Amino acid sequence: KQEVTQIPAALSVPEGENLVLNCSFTDSAIYNLQWFRQDPGKGLTSLLLIQSSQREQTSGRLNASLDKSSGRSTLYIAASQPGDSATYLCAVIGGKLIFGQGTELSVKP
Amino acid sequence: GAVVSQHPSWVICKSGTSVKIECRSLDFQATTMFWYRQFPKQSLMLMATSNEGSKATYEQGVEKDKFLINHASLTLSTLTVTSAHPEDSSFYICSASGQGVETQYFGPGTRLLVL
Repeated sequence: KQEVTQIPAALSVPEGENLVLNCSFTDSAIYNLQWFRQDPGKGLTSLLLIQSSQREQTSGRLNASLDKSSGRSTLYIAASQPGDSATYLCAVIGGKLIFGQGTELSVKP
Repeated sequence: GAVVSQHPSWVICKSGTSVKIECRSLDFQATTMFWYRQFPKQSLMLMATSNEGSKATYEQGVEKDKFLINHASLTLSTLTVTSAHPEDSSFYICSASGQGVETQYFGPGTRLLVL
């Protein structure tokens, strides 16, 4: 059974810092991995989708990497801003989406 | 881009009543729709997968008689929580994908509070 774990559960950083969010999964037989952002009480916003044949994807200040063999993905956020404060979820796609529990990020001005 | 809407965004109901939540794909045909539930500070848990015109496939532990799912058209799926109880209070999110497309597009969610 696929299990997805995100570390840390919560993170607070000052504005401007670079940060890394971690996601690990137990079964490497995945199709893709996707990172989402969720604001409080809202739905999901897709940030980056990494296909299983890729090792990373970049969008603006975000960079996501994928290492299937080790069952790990990271989301790197450069020059963090208060507007980045949200919960970040990773999900592995192997027929269906299986989500981690998320990392709650707070960026202080 | 692909847009998915949900209605209502908020619902408060009395224990024992039934509540219907709609999920619509606004600009594409959704051959498959998914229903998730999210408790506070927890992740999304898949409840069921529905394909247009056929019965939904429920995840283990989800009561199909309690959570009725209908996917009668390519743009609409409904989730009915029957005889709702306070423990059913949660955030319900749907997603949709088109034919041959793996990407799921998520709705904004519906918050259900059962008193």
